[in-house]
Amino acid sequence: GAVVSQHPSRVICKSGTSVKIECRSLDFQATTMFWYRQFPKQSLMLMATSNEGSKATYEQGVEKDKFLINHASLTLSTLTVTSAHPEDSSFYICSATLGPFYEQYFGPGTRLTVT
Amino acid sequence: EDQVTQSPEALRLQEGESSSLNCSYTVSGLRGLFWYRQDPGKGPEFLFTLYSAGEEKEKERLKATLTKKESFLHITAPKPEDSATYLCAFHTGANSKLTFGKGITLSVRP
Repeated sequence: GAVVSQHPSRVICKSGTSVKIECRSLDFQATTMFWYRQFPKQSLMLMATSNEGSKATYEQGVEKDKFLINHASLTLSTLTVTSAHPEDSSFYICSATLGPFYEQYFGPGTRLTVT
Repeated sequence: EDQVTQSPEALRLQEGESSSLNCSYTVSGLRGLFWYRQDPGKGPEFLFTLYSAGEEKEKERLKATLTKKESFLHITAPKPEDSATYLCAFHTGANSKLTFGKGITLSVRP
């Protein structure tokens, strides 16, 4: 199956700082990438949809100025959590797909802890 | 409103005890029903895509089926390594957005 990587796998930062998470599709070109957030013992919550070369589409309730998404190429998308606060601590997961009606392949996730 | 419901929330099986996980959906214009496996602290792993009622797909001890209202993930003679959370999800449009169920946590005892 297709491989998606995320970096870092785990990050601890201080309140008020910004953190960048990278998502890469390693063996295919992803027309669309997605960013999810997952709280303990809960399912995945979609944050935003990202298409290469265009602005991300954010889900209702997700602050686009706080969660900056850049999709620079068909293999790379980044999520920057700006001015992080403890309530931003969570498990962030990206996914990538070849296109409409194809399955999404997920990265291994990034555990963010804000102190 | 389109939605998907998974049941039971948790399932404990003895090794070798076959069972089925249920995913019920009310979706207008279903374009795909997906099954994923998620281990603790990891991203979901793709298992199956089903597109139309009557479709079945198999992989090792797993078989996924789809009707007009439900999808089942049948697990035959499970092993402890099959312990994980199983997620079903659907999408309805060209933007590939997935809507996930809450998942079923499966524990298989040796």
